[in-house]
Amino acid sequence: GDSVTQMEGPVTLSEEAFLTINCTYTATGYPSLFWYVQYPGEGLQLLLKATKADDKGSNKGFEATYRKETTSFHLEKGSVQVSDSAVYFCALSDPAETSGSRLTFGEGTQLTVNP
Amino acid sequence: DGGITQSPKYLFRKEGQNVTLSCEQNLNHDAMYWYRQDPGQGLRLIYYSQIVNDFQKGDIAEGYSVSREKKESFPLTVTSAQKNPTAFYLCASSIVGRGQAKNIQYFGAGTRLSVL
Repeated sequence: GDSVTQMEGPVTLSEEAFLTINCTYTATGYPSLFWYVQYPGEGLQLLLKATKADDKGSNKGFEATYRKETTSFHLEKGSVQVSDSAVYFCALSDPAETSGSRLTFGEGTQLTVNP
Repeated sequence: DGGITQSPKYLFRKEGQNVTLSCEQNLNHDAMYWYRQDPGQGLRLIYYSQIVNDFQKGDIAEGYSVSREKKESFPLTVTSAQKNPTAFYLCASSIVGRGQAKNIQYFGAGTRLSVL
């Protein structure tokens, strides 16, 4: 079945450092890929998405590129802020779903940014 | 404002007790979902519903039950058969149909359930 693997956390960075959180996936066909963010005590918010190979999703300075050849969707940000401290989830959606979609989530990566 | 409301924020269950978590949405979404979140394990799907009066088991449905009598509401009952219910429970919704927008799920703020 489908699966998502994220780099192990937690990740601790200083403010203005470069961020990479690795995500690889296993799926049949061509899934849509997502990054969700969860701030402390809250639900998940969609951060960015990509629906086909070589698409780049971007939002709030975060970027991720859909790499079919390496089955990856790594999250990057050039300069992190303290307010980026949160848990980040990589997820995929099975394109074979013809109605409401099931998401398969990775384990989540806790990011802490220190001033 | 449109969104998903989960209540209560915190809930405590006694041994042998059934408890019900509420999830209401005013986004006019047809599909709704319940996830369980445990530390270091990501989110796991409990149940989902794509239309009123119909729902399907997810990956970890044992010990849980749901109903979908109204489009806006998808309550989750944690029964006494669920032996390890302590977790963070998240409700989500999405549209149903063609197009990439159907893949985007919107989440509530969650309910944290603990066993007394």
